[in-house]
Amino acid sequence: QIVLTQSPSASASLGASVKLTCTLDSGHSNYGIAWHQQQPEKGPRFLMKVNSGGSHTKGDGVPDRFSGSSSGAERYLIISSLQSDDEADYYCQTWGTGMFFGGGTKLTVL
Amino acid sequence: EVHLVESGGGLVQPGGSLRLSCAASGFTFSSYWMHWVRQAPGKGLVWVSRINGDGSSTSYADSVKDRFTISRDNAKNTLYLQMNSLRAEDTAVYYCARDWVSDYWGRGTLVTVSS
Repeated sequence: QIVLTQSPSASASLGASVKLTCTLDSGHSNYGIAWHQQQPEKGPRFLMKVNSGGSHTKGDGVPDRFSGSSSGAERYLIISSLQSDDEADYYCQTWGTGMFFGGGTKLTVL
Repeated sequence: EVHLVESGGGLVQPGGSLRLSCAASGFTFSSYWMHWVRQAPGKGLVWVSRINGDGSSTSYADSVKDRFTISRDNAKNTLYLQMNSLRAEDTAVYYCARDWVSDYWGRGTLVTVSS
């Protein structure tokens, strides 16, 4: 069992930047994760994989405005120049014996 | 271009069965582990099951163990989920996803378990 913790909600203004956080439990603090975006009434979309060293590999067609980084057990998704269609749920995910998801962060673009 | 298309969802009574399918295209299907993930209405993503590339290894979440069976037909590029003894709490949109990072997802198929 791997526990990933995300804040339930976040908000930022149109055109601003936001940093979403996913925290791995202490026993798995060196694991890599994946970030996924789920817009309203749509299926999830893979954004990127982020490893413990902070490097990230983005999915096909993911804009440069999206980036990832790491610090200790925390994995970050940074979205710059926020647009209205960035308003979505964002999930982090990792893998071990199975697949584990954080509870998701609902991002509101003001 | 990679595509995953789920089908087979619908309304089923408690105790009933359904078989979901996920048709894959645009990649070498047999080279990838595949997963089923579900999302209950208004809730988050929950992993259900996974299968390796040649179908020889499978794993399940505790909540579906002994009721659900994952399988694949690499000749047909299709992933399956046989769901038996369905319960109300199995009501969800079911997604198939490619690989451990879930780098591609289908659009999902809705399963509703209700009398």
